Amino acid sequence: GQSLEQPSEVTAVEGAIVQINCTYQTSGFYGLSWYQQHDGGAPTFLSYNALDGLEETGRFSSFLSRSDSYGYLLLQELQMKDSASYFCAGLGGATNKLIFGTGTLLAVQP
Amino acid sequence: DTEVTQTPKHLVMGMTNKKSLKCEQHMGHRAMYWYKQKAKKPPELMFVYSYEKLSINESVPSRFSPECPNSSLLNLHLHALQPEDSALYLCASTELTTSGYYEQYFGPGTRLTVT
Repeated sequence: GQSLEQPSEVTAVEGAIVQINCTYQTSGFYGLSWYQQHDGGAPTFLSYNALDGLEETGRFSSFLSRSDSYGYLLLQELQMKDSASYFCAGLGGATNKLIFGTGTLLAVQP
Repeated sequence: DTEVTQTPKHLVMGMTNKKSLKCEQHMGHRAMYWYKQKAKKPPELMFVYSYEKLSINESVPSRFSPECPNSSLLNLHLHALQPEDSALYLCASTELTTSGYYEQYFGPGTRLTVT
């Protein structure tokens, strides 16, 4: 089967750096995506790793290691507005099918 | 226009009702998706349409019936639902290409309550 596991909750303070991990058991993923979802809102795309290594997009960076079946999202200079759920998602197939991870609720405190 | 719209925002229906959810995008995306999301859980893929043809049905019960009338529209017809079908239903779309990955754009969802 395909499964992606994340910590259920993470708490950090404003201005800090936080890392959200994603470990997966699957075969055939083309890459790993990250999505943010505020309470009551729609998921929005943050980043995508097709290859091993680090991708940086502003305050957010994402890392993938296929050999370790592991990835993470790094959020720097945390702001209150970063409080949200974060999902990793494995990309599979020609239809860009996404399998979402279990999700991590990030709480940013003053 | 990078927006996916969904109507209605909220829907309450009885178990004997028939209703439809609608999704629209004008980004020229050729793949469209329906997801179901329960509270505090990740979105679960239900259906994928690519080039207006159903390409994936994730073993969804037949009381959910998708339809793609054209490349911009996606419907989800609901009939004889159960209370456990109450959830947020999300529509998404993306480009299709063999050259790389494109992000999925999600609509705001329809919050469905089955009574």
